[in-house]
Amino acid sequence: DAGITQSPRHKVTETGTPVTLRCHQTENHRYMYWYRQDPGHGLRLIHYSYGVKDTDKGEVSDGYSVSRSKTEDFLLTLESATSSQTSVYFCAILIRGTATDTQYFGPGTRLTVL
Amino acid sequence: ELKVEQNPLFLSMQEGKNYTIYCNYSTTSDRLYWYRQDPGKSLESLFVLLSNGAVKQEGRLMASLDTKARLSTLHITAAVHDLSATYFCAVDKAIGDNDMRFGAGTRLTVKP
Repeated sequence: DAGITQSPRHKVTETGTPVTLRCHQTENHRYMYWYRQDPGHGLRLIHYSYGVKDTDKGEVSDGYSVSRSKTEDFLLTLESATSSQTSVYFCAILIRGTATDTQYFGPGTRLTVL
Repeated sequence: ELKVEQNPLFLSMQEGKNYTIYCNYSTTSDRLYWYRQDPGKSLESLFVLLSNGAVKQEGRLMASLDTKARLSTLHITAAVHDLSATYFCAVDKAIGDNDMRFGAGTRLTVKP
């Protein structure tokens, strides 16, 4: 599992409430990513981080913010959740190999916004 | 805009048969990835293809890459039920970029 945990694993919330999802890694990898997975779309990148306090937007960043104050933690915040943000959220880390780099994924968080 | 298209999106096949999943992409990326996802689970890395003509095999799965045609294939040989899963291809948005774009996935069901 590449030492990645996500919390919570399941959450149900109401429209308009703030939500924070946490991704934690134990191996000090520099790059971390947040994706959402929806039927028919595969995975879409929300934000990524290339170091402490260094983040950038992905393909579907509107309505989301991120923070990375420590190497091991990457937080995804929905400031005011909407029903369109109901999804499964995956965190990933980039592991650099001798030949190539590969992203490894956490177990996912299923978020339902009512 | 970068596009990654997989086909078919749904595939039902019988055990023992062969089939191929196709992944077309529009970037000039130098890397293509294949992942597997079981229902309700996370994604598992299967293959990373780095160069034109690259071929990798693991068990009954073989992946290849044609960068000139911007096409990768995932070939399944003599399918077994345990291969039932959703398979995703993904490419880096640009050469040297770790920002990946995924295809929509191919849901494979292998029937006895």
